[in-house]
Amino acid sequence: AQSVTQLDSQVPVFEEAPVELRCNYSSSVSVYLFWYVQYPNQGLQLLLKYLSGSTLVKGINGFEAEFNKSQTSFHLRKPSVHISDTAEYFCAVRKMDSSYKLIFGSGTRLLVRP
Amino acid sequence: ETGVTQSPTHLIKTRGQQVTLRCSSQSGHNTVSWYQQALGQGPQFIFQYYREEENGRGNFPPRFSGLQFPNYSSELNVNALELDDSALYLCASSPEGSGGRYEQYFGPGTRLTVT
Repeated sequence: AQSVTQLDSQVPVFEEAPVELRCNYSSSVSVYLFWYVQYPNQGLQLLLKYLSGSTLVKGINGFEAEFNKSQTSFHLRKPSVHISDTAEYFCAVRKMDSSYKLIFGSGTRLLVRP
Repeated sequence: ETGVTQSPTHLIKTRGQQVTLRCSSQSGHNTVSWYQQALGQGPQFIFQYYREEENGRGNFPPRFSGLQFPNYSSELNVNALELDDSALYLCASSPEGSGGRYEQYFGPGTRLTVT
């Protein structure tokens, strides 16, 4: 079975400061890794994904994430956040099989203050 | 804009009633998945349909059922509603039956409140 842990339920940060949202996962098989963002009263939007290759993945809106296999982590980073980045962020994993089933973490609320 | 739409946006039902939620996928997307997102939690996988057949299910009871139609629309049906069924229900569509590297596109969700 797979599981995803997002240790921080809320991360407050000032505008233009850097931010890191932490994600650790557990799986007995190889998985794909994803970060999604959810704005209030909206569905999920894919920020970035790790399938294979380079462990540093760049996504939309200036976000990037680094896959660390030995630490089973996939932390999300942004060097300078904006007020508009305030949202809920979800880390997710998916087995490398024919299913689209995503296992999500409980989410981290990023609160950007002016 | 993902091209995935869901209806209704919100609805309120009474415990014990039945509800049908609808999803319209992009043309050519023959795989659809449904998720339940309780307040303050991450989405949980309910089931997946590929070419009108269920081919994957999460830890949800049989009173959660679905249908997928040839016109890329689908339904989630929940019978005998319970208070804990109150949640945001998300559908996600994908262009292929095999997961692999293909992306899922999420709709905006239907917020169900059970009183």
